[in-house]
Amino acid sequence: EVHLVESGGGLVQPGGSLRLSCAASEFTFSNYAMSWVRQAPGKGLEWVSAISGSGATTYYADSVRGRFAISRDNSKNTLFLQMNSLRVEDTAVYSCAKVGTLVTHDYWGQGTLVTVSS
Amino acid sequence: EVVLTQSPATLSVSPGERAILSCRASQSVSTSLAWYQHKPGQAPRLLIYGSSTRATGIPARFSGSGSGTEFTLTISSLQSEDSAVYYCQQYHNWPPLTFGGGTEVEIK
Repeated sequence: EVHLVESGGGLVQPGGSLRLSCAASEFTFSNYAMSWVRQAPGKGLEWVSAISGSGATTYYADSVRGRFAISRDNSKNTLFLQMNSLRVEDTAVYSCAKVGTLVTHDYWGQGTLVTVSS
Repeated sequence: EVVLTQSPATLSVSPGERAILSCRASQSVSTSLAWYQHKPGQAPRLLIYGSSTRATGIPARFSGSGSGTEFTLTISSLQSEDSAVYYCQQYHNWPPLTFGGGTEVEIK
């Protein structure tokens, strides 16, 4: 069974930085694109970023472009999200998801909470 | 950006009855639409992709239909474990990938 475990969340002040990690197992990590999706308190799902299996191509939502950077280490089966210049509105649970058939998300992690507050 | 509008926001259905959820796209997404089930404290679960194809292990009581801008998720005979928020997601025109605002299904 595919397993995705996020880490790195926490409390950070506005303008600060955090780096999230997602450890993947039980599938050939380098063969699949991956996404980060977030859910703000009381809100719905919002796609944040995606990266191709090789790591050569990245995609971002307008709300995070220029502030967040997605990357991956296929030798360690790990996905990353570097978050800089954090804003209060970035407060959310951040989940990593495996991109399966036709750019859908067939497996998700439980998420890690990021709180941006002074 | 393709905007997805889900209705109703909340649906209250008795066990054994049918639940019909709607997702409307601001422009055509062909059949590039997926549905997810999300329960509190759990990871979202892919139910349907390609508008009507059930994902692996999804019970037959879940069915999807539609194309273009109008889509429907039907739960034919609601079970207590189906209480959740359901989201649609389009992947026809991206980035960005976009989700609808969700429909909460409550069991009467």
